[in-house]
Amino acid sequence: DAKTTQPTSMDCAEGRAANLPCNHSTISGNEYVYWYRQIHSQGPQYIIHGLKNNETNEMASLIITEDRKSSTLILPHATLRDTAVYYCIVRVANSGYSTLTFGKGTMLLVSP
Amino acid sequence: GAGVSQTPSNKVTEKGKYVELRCDPISGHTALYWYRQSLGQGPEFLIYFQGTGAADDSGLPNDRFFAVRPEGSVSTLKIQRTERGDSAVYLCASSFSPGSDEAFFGQGTRLTVV
Repeated sequence: DAKTTQPTSMDCAEGRAANLPCNHSTISGNEYVYWYRQIHSQGPQYIIHGLKNNETNEMASLIITEDRKSSTLILPHATLRDTAVYYCIVRVANSGYSTLTFGKGTMLLVSP
Repeated sequence: GAGVSQTPSNKVTEKGKYVELRCDPISGHTALYWYRQSLGQGPEFLIYFQGTGAADDSGLPNDRFFAVRPEGSVSTLKIQRTERGDSAVYLCASSFSPGSDEAFFGQGTRLTVV
């Protein structure tokens, strides 16, 4: 799986949008971009994934650049409960087994 | 509860002892994964089961680590002759199938070797 690069930490004010960037310049054509987050003392939680089109669900939006070399996870109205480590992962999907390879992620701190 | 359950939540053991960590996946999930997370690091893959068989154990650090899933549901991670460096949070995850988009993680077992 391709490697990803994320900032170590970010801050966001409560109620504002949190935009978390991820670089994955070596991504292959059959690899998807996945985002997970890990709240303190909990296991990772799936957020969203995408191939090349922008995606949105009840938790977040995922914007992938046209060349697919980078992406941004957007939490439109961050709350204190969104404080967590956010992991950007690239992974082959829909083709059988493929494990998740986690980096160190981005520590997002949402403040009042 | 419909989530992945791991027991115990905390385990303290003496160096050299044997430990077993248990994972109850979500009912009906055929794929099961074990990860290990050290302080300040992301989870690190250990082993993957499809049904009863270990389909990929390439992440196990050495032969002191072993895992089983005899009936294709509950899995046990076994660590022999524990070392202080084995101290970490051990996470279990399951998914409906190997190619599923979403893996569901348990809260982990915090293992401390003293």
